[in-house]
Amino acid sequence: AQSVTQLDSHVSVSEGTPVLLRCNYSSSYSPSLFWYVQHPNKGLQLLLKYTSAATLVKGINGFEAEFKKSETSFHLTKPSAHMSDAAEYFCVVSGGSGAGSYQLTFGKGTKLSVIP
Amino acid sequence: GAGVSQSPSNKVTEKGKDVELRCDPISGHTALYWYRQSLGQGLEFLIYFQGNSAPDKSGLPSDRFSAERTGGSVSTLTIQRTQQEDSAVYLCASGRPSGQNYGYTFGSGTRLTVV
Repeated sequence: AQSVTQLDSHVSVSEGTPVLLRCNYSSSYSPSLFWYVQHPNKGLQLLLKYTSAATLVKGINGFEAEFKKSETSFHLTKPSAHMSDAAEYFCVVSGGSGAGSYQLTFGKGTKLSVIP
Repeated sequence: GAGVSQSPSNKVTEKGKDVELRCDPISGHTALYWYRQSLGQGLEFLIYFQGNSAPDKSGLPSDRFSAERTGGSVSTLTIQRTQQEDSAVYLCASGRPSGQNYGYTFGSGTRLTVV
């Protein structure tokens, strides 16, 4: 079985300051990990993915995430927040073995607010 | 098209009526998922199609829910005798066979409101 815990339901940052959205996962096997972003009334957009290659993954819009197996974490960061980053962010795990290994298991989401 | 297309974008229906939600995946994507996003509930897996294999229906919440995928392309999610708790955004995603290595593309969803 696999699971994802997003440690903060809401994060608020000032424009131009760093962003840190935390995610811990649980998976019996080497997982694939994703971050998706959802702007209000929009669909889910893939920000970045980890698939057992480099542990530091760069995504779109200046976001990156680091896979740390020892900590079972996949935190999302950005050096400088922009107003357009205000959205809900989902950490997602996939992989493992057996039935359902292809399923995407979503965290409950972190709502990011950016203060001007 | 370039993305996953879902229709309708919004649907308001009366309790007890049947509804059909449509998903048109990206051409060449053999994997297709339906998820449900309810307020305060996060994203819930409903059903998975992969090529010609039997679908994984383990996430369907009741026998009022069914889905099919014709010709390995377009998928329809049907909800019979809708209930108010069915109100949610229904999201479709498609991907390549080893989609977990590439990620999945989601449509904009169908917002279903049962009144």
